This record gives sequence, C-alpha cells and structure tokens, in this order.
Amino acid sequence: DSGVTQTPKHLITATGQRVTLRCSPRSGDLSVYWYQQSLDQGLQFLIQYYNGEERAKGNILERFSAQQFPDLHSELNLSSLELGDSALYFCASSVVNSATTGELFFGEGSRLTVL
Amino acid sequence: AQSVSQHNHHVILSEAASLELGCNYSYGGTVNLFWYVQYPGQHLQLLLKYFSGDPLVKGIKGFEAEFIKSKFSFNLRKPSVQWSDTAEYFCAVRPKGRRALTFGSGTRLQVQP
Repeated sequence: DSGVTQTPKHLITATGQRVTLRCSPRSGDLSVYWYQQSLDQGLQFLIQYYNGEERAKGNILERFSAQQFPDLHSELNLSSLELGDSALYFCASSVVNSATTGELFFGEGSRLTVL
Repeated sequence: AQSVSQHNHHVILSEAASLELGCNYSYGGTVNLFWYVQYPGQHLQLLLKYFSGDPLVKGIKGFEAEFIKSKFSFNLRKPSVQWSDTAEYFCAVRPKGRRALTFGSGTRLQVQP
C-alpha cells in the first residue's frame, strides 16, 4: 500500500460525458501528479499541483482540468469524453516540490472506459 | 524530441536466467534516473534511483542499474530472476530543474517457472 488513494477504481461512461477522478495523497505529501497510461502512449505526465497551486503542466488536453484542495486531495476532471480518453489514470504524490528527493508514490489508478 | 526509450517491450525468461532491460534517454545535462515496477494489479513502486555518485545503483529485490553517461543509458539488471519478478518495468528520467518524471513505454517481463 503506497498510501495514495484513488477513486473510483473503475469507471465506464459514454462519449461526450464528464467524469471526475479523485486522489488523496500520502499523509504529509504536498505535491500531487496526474499521469495517463494508455496502450499506445505509455505513461504520460498530465499535470502537477503543489500545496494547492498548479506547478507543472504536461500533455494535458484543454478538455481536462485539475485542482488541489486545501486538504491536499486532488481531482482530475475530464469532459467531452472521447473514445481515445479510455486509459488508466494514475495519481502520484511526493513530499516536496523540489527535485531533491524525486520519489513519487503512486496510487492504484482509475481505469476509465469510454464507450 | 526529448524522450525515454525502452527497447524491449516484452521479455520472456526462465527462472534463474539473467535479466537486462535497456533504457536510453535523450536529455542533455544533469538528470535523475529511476526504475519503477508494476506488479499485476498493483501500483507502481520504486525499484531504485540514481541522483549522483556511484553509477552502479542497487535497489530492492536484488535489482541493480548502471548509469553510463556517455551512452545516455540506465540499464536495469538482475543476475537471477524469479517467477515473482513477473511485472512491468518502467524507466523514468527527470532532467534537472523539472518536476515531473518522464517515463519510458515500459517492458513487460514474464518469468516462466
């Protein structure tokens, strides 16, 4: 158990819909990262938050957004869903915002299927 | 484009065989390097990491990796694999000054008893 909790574990929805994925980081971790894992793209970095503020952005689509709340949990919102959005979405957390430690602790992921 | 390449997508070995998984990256300058493992149905876990110092890094479960700066490589090795090593292995790189890790596409290792 990494200490990072993601819900829901599985989600099936239709094209055009909107979903929200939730992540609770390890106790004490201030940084949250979102990654998308698909068969053809591998693990792609989407976005990072640190203590409520966006700190880094990767290959995140405009249809996707995220936020980190005062209690440090984070939500990833995916809207106008397309078939190609079907993937495993991972959340990871780390202690600090700097590059000194480096280790990310991953949750078990939320598997999204868009039909 | 800057990237991380894992050459072997699927590797099948018998127990007790030696393992080497390749990882190359295309970033210049200082990088931090990682290997993560994902066992079936589980989350990604850190196997080992390299920040500086001895380029031969030892990790958990008998794994080690060697950083060869001139070759931009960070290959993962294990002298004798076990059935329980069946998993997907990801190499990851973080260039200095960046926050997020960039992952390779992963290598699926299947160890046959």
